Amino acid sequence: EVQLVETGGDLIQPGGSLRLSCAASGFTVSSNYITWVRQAPGKGLEWVSVMYPGVGTYYRDSVKGRFTISRDNSKNIVHLQMNSLRDEDTAVYYCARVMQELDDYYMDVWGNGTTVIVSS
Amino acid sequence: EIVMTQSPATLSVSPGERATLSCRASQSVSSNLAWYQQKPGQAPRLLIYGASTRATGIPARFTGSGSGTEFTLTISSLQSEDFAVYYCQQYDNWLPITFGQGTRLEIK
Repeated sequence: EVQLVETGGDLIQPGGSLRLSCAASGFTVSSNYITWVRQAPGKGLEWVSVMYPGVGTYYRDSVKGRFTISRDNSKNIVHLQMNSLRDEDTAVYYCARVMQELDDYYMDVWGNGTTVIVSS
Repeated sequence: EIVMTQSPATLSVSPGERATLSCRASQSVSSNLAWYQQKPGQAPRLLIYGASTRATGIPARFTGSGSGTEFTLTISSLQSEDFAVYYCQQYDNWLPITFGQGTRLEIK
């Protein structure tokens, strides 16, 4: 079964660090685009970061320099290292597989999410 | 950055009736648009990609249409499980990926 499972969410103070993990099963993360999308309480979906199958990592402007996406091929896991956390980073963080077919890039598999609360 | 605007914010429809949700892009995204459904406490679920192609396992009552800047998601004969929040997402201007703010479909 193709599946993603996120872990690592927690209550953290502003300025702190947290590492989220996205474990894949049923497919290989190194061969796929994997993205992180977050959802603040009561709000909509917001793209955060994406890792390309080969090399290539990209971030939304508000997290550049603070968040780092990486991949552990041996464990088939994608991580999101979050530093210098701010109140506005509070959200449920989802990882998703981005399926690419010709010109189509769509998020076809989603994890259940992990909750990050930034608060003093 | 391409801004996606969905309307209405909330749509009240009776079961068995048709629902029409709209999504507008601030510039042309060709047919590079996806629709997702999200129920409370759940992750989003892919419904449509390429503006009109249903994802695997999505019932035929879900229909996507449009191109350029104007898109529509139509749900014919609403079932109880269809009441949820719906998001559109463009991937023409690949990064940043942008979503609409969502339309909440509620039971009338």
